[in-house]
Amino acid sequence: AQKITQTQPGMFVQEKEAVTLDCTYDTSDPSYGLFWYKQPSSGEMIFLIYQGSYDQQNATEGRYSLNFQKARKSANLVISASQLGDSAMYFCAMREGSGGSNYKLTFGKGTLLTVNP
Amino acid sequence: GAVVSQHPSRVICKSGTSVKIECRSLDFQATTMFWYRQFPKQSLMLMATSNEGSKATYEQGVEKDKFLINHASLTLSTLTVTSAHPEDSSFYICSARGDRGPGQPQHFGDGTRLSIL
Repeated sequence: AQKITQTQPGMFVQEKEAVTLDCTYDTSDPSYGLFWYKQPSSGEMIFLIYQGSYDQQNATEGRYSLNFQKARKSANLVISASQLGDSAMYFCAMREGSGGSNYKLTFGKGTLLTVNP
Repeated sequence: GAVVSQHPSRVICKSGTSVKIECRSLDFQATTMFWYRQFPKQSLMLMATSNEGSKATYEQGVEKDKFLINHASLTLSTLTVTSAHPEDSSFYICSARGDRGPGQPQHFGDGTRLSIL
């Protein structure tokens, strides 16, 4: 079974509107972390937001917020007031465990977001 | 934010050549560095994890002798693609993280586009 599932290969949104990118995860570890990254066409990976499994509140970073529903194992990214520069590939990733030295991430397949003017 | 520099950004070379890619953390000590490979329109595939001063841990299916990784200091890791062939052409991207707990994200370099003729 896939550990990270992003069911939307592509999404379209009008400029200035909000958009939700879906991410579901699968783990039996009680301690884990969820990350969202943005990859523009130029290729660099930009860290957006982090949610820990024990965090009581949903994470927010500027226009980005994470809708964390632990029981449903979902960690959807919400982008408010979309801008043309938000057009990019978005990856959800998970780190399992809280110890150890490596903190490997498992990435989903990504969602290509296109913001229309 | 944390800065990771990756060099070169693009390489075009003949089959049989060995290519070295550098990954540097510029403003933090990178306890762990990661090397990924990404095919067009696909997700990131972890190749190996390297910790400063120790041998890299390779993911299943990644040839250790083909992809040599050295993590000689807390700010530098290198990936050498030995005797590169056209099938090694890909986008290679590194990431680094410090030692500030499980919530610290991996910070990525800008990637290297490798083309083997």
